[in-house]
Amino acid sequence: AQKVTQAQTEISVVEKEDVTLDCVYETRDTTYYLFWYKQPPSGELVFLIRRNSFDEQNEISGRYSWNFQKSTSSFNFTITASQVVDSAVYFCALSLYDKVIFGPGTSLSVIP
Amino acid sequence: DGGITQSPKYLFRKEGQNVTLSCEQNLNHDAMYWYRQDPGQGLRLIYYSQIVNDFQKGDIAEGYSVSREKKESFPLTVTSAQKNPTAFYLCASSIVAGVTYNEQFFGPGTRLTVL
Repeated sequence: AQKVTQAQTEISVVEKEDVTLDCVYETRDTTYYLFWYKQPPSGELVFLIRRNSFDEQNEISGRYSWNFQKSTSSFNFTITASQVVDSAVYFCALSLYDKVIFGPGTSLSVIP
Repeated sequence: DGGITQSPKYLFRKEGQNVTLSCEQNLNHDAMYWYRQDPGQGLRLIYYSQIVNDFQKGDIAEGYSVSREKKESFPLTVTSAQKNPTAFYLCASSIVAGVTYNEQFFGPGTRLTVL
């Protein structure tokens, strides 16, 4: 089966707290890419990061960081010192040779 | 500025009517996609097109139709056969289809409500 699970439907944090969004995927393919997209209230999904299946190196971009672990089929996303502008729905996606599978999304609310 | 435009932003339809959602891109991308977004279900693929005059059904194509007469345009028609069309519709494009590392670029979406 090919599937992306984001178990956290909604998360609320107070501004400046750190928050981790979980993503677990299933595939038997050995070559694939994982993505994170952000959907702000305006509706348009915005690309955040891609990671290929052969590169387990973690990545940091400003307050954002991603942890990819093939052993647990997870690609988790951490926001450090969250801000109100981080409030959005975040989607994890699995890209295979013939399709892209999106997770159900996690709605993050950052409270001032 | 390059990007994807969708119109209208909000659309209301009476039961039994067909409606067409517009999607235009000026990114010179070959591949275009239509997704449907329902609360708690993520994005589900309706149709995609890899090249002009060619398109394929996605996971939930029943009750929808598309055309791809120009590279820049990929309109979606929601027909009366679609039993539950109320949803948020997103159009996307990527440089080419079938390349796993290409990210997709999304439009702002059209929210369709059936009255």
